[in-house]
Amino acid sequence: DGGITQSPKYLFRKEGQNVTLSCEQNLNHDAMYWYRQDPGQGLRLIYYSQIVNDFQKGDIAEGYSVSREKKESFPLTVTSAQKNPTAFYLCASTGNPYNEQFFGPGTRLTVL
Amino acid sequence: SQQGEEDPQALSIQEGENATMNCSYKTSINNLQWYRQNSGRGLVHLILIRSNEREKHSGRLRVTLDTSKKSSSLLITASRAADTASYFCATDRGSQGNLIFGKGTKLSVKP
Repeated sequence: DGGITQSPKYLFRKEGQNVTLSCEQNLNHDAMYWYRQDPGQGLRLIYYSQIVNDFQKGDIAEGYSVSREKKESFPLTVTSAQKNPTAFYLCASTGNPYNEQFFGPGTRLTVL
Repeated sequence: SQQGEEDPQALSIQEGENATMNCSYKTSINNLQWYRQNSGRGLVHLILIRSNEREKHSGRLRVTLDTSKKSSSLLITASRAADTASYFCATDRGSQGNLIFGKGTKLSVKP
């Protein structure tokens, strides 16, 4: 059963803590993406990776970090440097950056 | 930076009516895509239209693209309550193909 998964679904963080959001895909896609969505807003690109062991900053990379050690996995770390991390985080992948992206179900992060 | 902008921001219709959403963008594109998002969920791809295409159909969906006006429209015919969702247009950035999303149109279909 092919798809893209994210965990956890809900995550609570205390101020000053780093947290890591998981994103896994078994679609054999080379490209993976992390987006942030705030209420009533569209998606903003945080980081993307077009191939294993390589990634680039998107529009709002400050306070976030990623790794791409395996093709299937693209974890996102929200660091304490991110001033307003409460948001809905979406991971996506594609086999061709000029075609459709496949999205995971999202992780809702709340800072307490 | 926001490339696509949807209009209207919110739309409320009765079941059976047609729903039309518009998207405007600023720079040249290779393709334009429409996605749907149910509340609290991930996005689902609906349709992709390339810059050399003017119209595309998929089931009850009809998408048009006017590159001279830098605009696209999504028409959902004979809407159903299950069509209630937010709809986003996304355009590519050019050489790397990354997408820029608009803020979306929130569609409510009342039974």
